[in-house]
Amino acid sequence: QVQLQPWGAGLLKPSETLSLTCAVSGGSLNGYYWSWIRQPPGRGLEWIGEINHSGSTNYNPSLKSRLTISVDTSKNQFSLTLSSVTAADTAVYYCARDLSEYYYDSNGYGYRHDTFDIWGQETMVIVSP
Amino acid sequence: DIQMTQSPSTLSASVGDRVTITCRASQSIGTWLAWFQQKPGKAPNLLIYKASTLQSGVPSRFSGSGSGTEFTLTISNLQPDDFATYYCQQYHGYSWTFGQGTKVEIK
Repeated sequence: QVQLQPWGAGLLKPSETLSLTCAVSGGSLNGYYWSWIRQPPGRGLEWIGEINHSGSTNYNPSLKSRLTISVDTSKNQFSLTLSSVTAADTAVYYCARDLSEYYYDSNGYGYRHDTFDIWGQETMVIVSP
Repeated sequence: DIQMTQSPSTLSASVGDRVTITCRASQSIGTWLAWFQQKPGKAPNLLIYKASTLQSGVPSRFSGSGSGTEFTLTISNLQPDDFATYYCQQYHGYSWTFGQGTKVEIK
């Protein structure tokens, strides 16, 4: 079955750039969106952004100015880059596969609705001076 | 962004109880709502999507209902493995958001 394995640097200083990669095994990137989600210590979940196999992205507006999500189909993996980190970016980071459903309105315009059906293990990122 | 508010924040219950968690959306989201279970040190696990559709492999004691702005997750006959934190998530707009979580603890 599909498995997601995240990896990347776990300790950063303020103003540095956070970089994480999620390797997908047991399935292809094709046909799905793939998301990053984070959880600060003791707090709830925050969706960061998503990408599909062709590189189409959708970002959380609150992070958009610092965020880049990219895909490498040759390696079957996708990556997260978050610039100018602060202590507020300290969190457990997850990668996940989107479970997408499409709704088409009367004009034939399609809307995508995503939840998350497969998650990778947690990877902790700490931002500290 | 659409804001999701869960209640209660913490719920104390006993094995065999029927428990209900409520999730309210700041605007109508149709039935674009999912429920997750999370245990300490683990990734969330999808329980229910489209407000009431049980994800494959999830026990039938979990059920979801609601539409528009108010939703509920019900666990009937609470089992020891069910003590965990539960999150709702809306997926109506193109910025998916979660509730703050409800911790179900042993009474």
